[in-house]
Amino acid sequence: GNSVTQMEGPVTLSEEAFLTINCTYTATGYPSLFWYVQYPGEGLQLLLKATKADDKGSNKGFEATYRKETTSFHLEKGSVQVSDSAVYFCALTTFSGYSTLTFGKGTMLLVSP
Amino acid sequence: DAGVIQSPRHEVTEMGQEVTLRCKPISGHNSLFWYRQTMMRGLELLIYFNNNVPIDDSGMPEDRFSAKMPNASFSTLKIQPSEPRDSAVYFCASTREQNTEAFFGQGTRLTVV
Repeated sequence: GNSVTQMEGPVTLSEEAFLTINCTYTATGYPSLFWYVQYPGEGLQLLLKATKADDKGSNKGFEATYRKETTSFHLEKGSVQVSDSAVYFCALTTFSGYSTLTFGKGTMLLVSP
Repeated sequence: DAGVIQSPRHEVTEMGQEVTLRCKPISGHNSLFWYRQTMMRGLELLIYFNNNVPIDDSGMPEDRFSAKMPNASFSTLKIQPSEPRDSAVYFCASTREQNTEAFFGQGTRLTVV
């Protein structure tokens, strides 16, 4: 079956620090990969995505590259802000007649001024 | 589009009562997912539908939980009887087609006292 493993949090950083949140996956077939973000009191929203190997998804200064050889999709940002404090979820979808959707457990990011 | 719409946003009920959560997916989306989120267990997939048909309900915790999707624009998650350990935020999400991102509702915060 499909699974997503991401680093446990919380990750605590100072403003302007570099961020990496690791994500690895196992999947049957050829997955699409996603990062979702959940701000306090809200639902999950898409942050970025990549649908094929070597694609780089990017949004709001965040980036992640689909690495098929290492089955990874690590999230990075060069300079975090206090407003980036949230929970980040790595996820994948596959399709075999119908879509499946698998999430990691989420990583909380806390950014202090 | 208004996005995925869930109701109610908050529900407080007494142990033993029946609770019904509602979800309206985005028009044209053919897969619908119900998730439960708690601090202890994180984000758990309860059940998902494809073209209104339940595909996998292995995440439904027990017989007290049931879900229906009578048509493409409406789904319910029912808990009967409710228990305090059911207290959580319940999310509904929908996707349009294979390997596309899921769109989440704002969630229903359920408190069973």
